[in-house]
Amino acid sequence: GDSVTQMEGPVTLSEEAFLTINCTYTATGYPSLFWYVQYPGEGLQLLLKATKADDKGSNKGFEATYRKETTSFHLEKGSVQVSDSAVYFCALRAQAGTALIFGKGTTLSVSS
Amino acid sequence: DAGVIQSPRHEVTEMGQEVTLRCKPISGHNSLFWYRQTMMRGLELLIYFNNNVPIDDSGMPEDRFSAKMPNASFSTLKIQPSEPRDSAVYFCASSLAGTTNTGELFFGEGSRLTVL
Repeated sequence: GDSVTQMEGPVTLSEEAFLTINCTYTATGYPSLFWYVQYPGEGLQLLLKATKADDKGSNKGFEATYRKETTSFHLEKGSVQVSDSAVYFCALRAQAGTALIFGKGTTLSVSS
Repeated sequence: DAGVIQSPRHEVTEMGQEVTLRCKPISGHNSLFWYRQTMMRGLELLIYFNNNVPIDDSGMPEDRFSAKMPNASFSTLKIQPSEPRDSAVYFCASSLAGTTNTGELFFGEGSRLTVL
């Protein structure tokens, strides 16, 4: 079945460091791909998305490129801030009208 | 605009008691999802509805769990009887389903359930 695998955390970085969180997926067809972020005590919020191969999603300095050849959607940010500390979830949607399938989440902790 | 509204935010109950979690989706959304989040298993889809009709309930753990969506603006997730292993954060999410959009999910703030 469809699945998402993301790197296990926690990821601990200093402010202004470069961030990469790896995400790979298994799916038939052409899924849409998402990154969601969860701040402490809150629900998940959409961070960025990409709907077809080679699309790049970007938001708040984060970006991820939909790579069909490597079935990957790695999240990157050039310079993290303390306020980026949160749990990040990679997800896919196999087709319209179906549910999102989430990875297990990666906790990011940024210190000043 | 109001987002997805869940209640209660926190629930502490004793094993064997009935628990009912409630969700009001965003007005106009026609898909509703219930997820469960635990440290061990991450985010698991329990069930989802399209136009108030259950589409996939394969994630519902067992017969103790049931979910209903009597109308477009309300859904419940019921656990009867509850067990300590049901302790988790339960999230409701809604989206506008359609072939012309990617169906971003909007999540509520979750209901944290503790079963003693």
